[in-house]
Amino acid sequence: GENVEQHPSTLSVQEGDSAVIKCTYSDSASNYFPWYKQELGKRPQLIIDIRSNVGEKKDQRIAVTLNKTAKHFSLHITETQPEDSAVYFCAVMEYGNKLVFGAGTILRVKS
Amino acid sequence: GAVVSQHPSRVICKSGTSVKIECRSLDFQATTMFWYRQFPKQSLMLMATSNEGSKATYEQGVEKDKFLINHASLTLSTLTVTSAHPEDSSFYICSALRNTNEKLFFGSGTQLSVL
Repeated sequence: GENVEQHPSTLSVQEGDSAVIKCTYSDSASNYFPWYKQELGKRPQLIIDIRSNVGEKKDQRIAVTLNKTAKHFSLHITETQPEDSAVYFCAVMEYGNKLVFGAGTILRVKS
Repeated sequence: GAVVSQHPSRVICKSGTSVKIECRSLDFQATTMFWYRQFPKQSLMLMATSNEGSKATYEQGVEKDKFLINHASLTLSTLTVTSAHPEDSSFYICSALRNTNEKLFFGSGTQLSVL
């Protein structure tokens, strides 16, 4: 099955700085890569996703890049704000529409 | 966007009892639903895939006789934790697939605490 690795496990940035979280995956056949933000005790919230037919997607301060050859994708958050503090998970959809999640990154934005 | 409702949001039960969790897709039909478990400070781990009208498919290491899944209609899947024990205490969350190649929509989660 799919193996997803996510780094770093924790990330502290100053308000206004950028944050980058990276994930690698193992199955070259995977073609859907979402990113989720989760606050304590809440459901994961989809913040951006990308399919394998594109290399980059942007939505305001959030962007995702995908390198299919290298099998890695990254989340970029620019102009971070305190409300961006949360746990972020990458995921990869494998056969059967099952999502395999990364281990998560705790993002702390210091004001 | 699509709405997935999960109930109850929190349950506390005694060891040995059974707990049923419901997952409903409110505005679409979901032929496939997924059940995840999340322990504190950990990631979401897929437990099983629930298919309407057929038996659920369980991930390796998940006991099917302990975690009973029923997907009797296109809008409802239930997870029953049988004979719950303290080690079953976790955040259980469902997700529903509207159509193949679409996004997954998550329920609000159920925090289970077994005393």
